[in-house]
Amino acid sequence: AQKITQTQPGMFVQEKEAVTLDCTYDTSDQSYGLFWYKQPSSGEMIFLIYQGSYDEQNATEGRYSLNFQKARKSANLVISASQLGDSAMYFCAMREMWYGGSQGNLIFGKGTKLSVKP
Amino acid sequence: DTAVSQTPKYLVTQMGNDKSIKCEQNLGHDTMYWYKQDSKKFLKIMFSYNNKELIINETVPNRFSPKSPDKAHLNLHINSLELGDSAVYFCASSPFPRGPYGYTFGSGTRLTVV
Repeated sequence: AQKITQTQPGMFVQEKEAVTLDCTYDTSDQSYGLFWYKQPSSGEMIFLIYQGSYDEQNATEGRYSLNFQKARKSANLVISASQLGDSAMYFCAMREMWYGGSQGNLIFGKGTKLSVKP
Repeated sequence: DTAVSQTPKYLVTQMGNDKSIKCEQNLGHDTMYWYKQDSKKFLKIMFSYNNKELIINETVPNRFSPKSPDKAHLNLHINSLELGDSAVYFCASSPFPRGPYGYTFGSGTRLTVV
């Protein structure tokens, strides 16, 4: 069965510093996708970054990068040069691509609340 | 133009009432979802429709009934509301039910049952 684990309920980071949010996953499928979403206090879910299981390069989107270590089944989100507006909940999610035993929907971790200090 | 729009954004109602939440997407996606986010922020899938056909029906009380009149709309009707139904309900859409596609989420509906 699929599972996403985020072990950090809360994190603090100083403004302008980098921070890593941890995510490990479990799946028996060989083909899957990993996603990170941001949920600010206003409540909306904002897509940040995507990594496919067969992608050889780690994904990057602006200040966001995904540190993908397939053998360790980890997909950590790295935010560089933190800004006050980065304070939010961050969710790691996974989706089996094609023929896995799941129903193909996104499953989410429990989230990490990031607080950026001025 | 909002890609996935949910109404209402806030819903406060008494126990025992029946209420509906509406969702519409203008992205041309085939697949739509309802997720429930509880007080601890955990997101759990409830239902999914693909081109008007129910494809995911998780273990939720029978009081929850989704309806998809066409692939751009997915509504959620809740009968006999209970205190435990208080949560944020998110609608989302995806191009297809599987594949390397993320979701586009609606802004959420915060349901409070008093």
